[in-house]
Amino acid sequence: QSVLTQPPSVSAAPGQKVTISCSGSSSNIGNNYVSWYQQLPGTAPKLLIYDNNKRPSGIPDRFSGSKSGTSATLGISGLQTGDEADYYCGTWHSSLSSGHWVFGGGTKLTVL
Amino acid sequence: QVQLVQSGAEVKKPGASVKVSCKASGYTFTSSGFSWVRQAPGQGLEWMGWISAYNDNTNYAQRFQGRVTMTTDTSTSTAYMELRSLRSDDTAVYFCARTGGYCSSINCYNDYMDVWGKGTTVTVSS
Repeated sequence: QSVLTQPPSVSAAPGQKVTISCSGSSSNIGNNYVSWYQQLPGTAPKLLIYDNNKRPSGIPDRFSGSKSGTSATLGISGLQTGDEADYYCGTWHSSLSSGHWVFGGGTKLTVL
Repeated sequence: QVQLVQSGAEVKKPGASVKVSCKASGYTFTSSGFSWVRQAPGQGLEWMGWISAYNDNTNYAQRFQGRVTMTTDTSTSTAYMELRSLRSDDTAVYFCARTGGYCSSINCYNDYMDVWGKGTTVTVSS
């Protein structure tokens, strides 16, 4: 079981908007930045969102991120068939001894 | 452009070791660090640890402590991940990713992973 909880799958039609949630705790999301990664089939993950809501150069503004308390959300608007992929949230998990990075279990997006 | 090029696929027997390399280019090697992340077939991403390319500080995931060693070679701008005592459930694709961060005497902190290698498939089978 992942420390961060994501829905296993979401789906929507082309052109629609979808959101993917990522739920954690005060030890991770609540006190650290969240990033989101897109993994197209058979490829390496790619950074989509960092520091909760910032997009790297080259990432279209159809992708957005937000955070509230111990949860974060990835939004994808104007869905395209090329957006079909697995999406992962990630953040630092703080602890007294030594922290570590954690990923959500991943969400498979299907564009119907 | 920033690029991470990983070594080729490996097939190992149980109990053996594997060493995966990740050669960086397009930026100052010592300005960041490297995370190593693996993905078993059909599974999600699993963080294995992080190494600073600046001072070789490391932070390993607890489940790999004692079995993994991460190193860097600044002369060739290459990061390495060695995993020992391989088991069949170590079969996975192993990714390196450029990752900012630091370690103090007390704790570490890692940032997001902004550039990823394409992955190295490691198969453990008798």
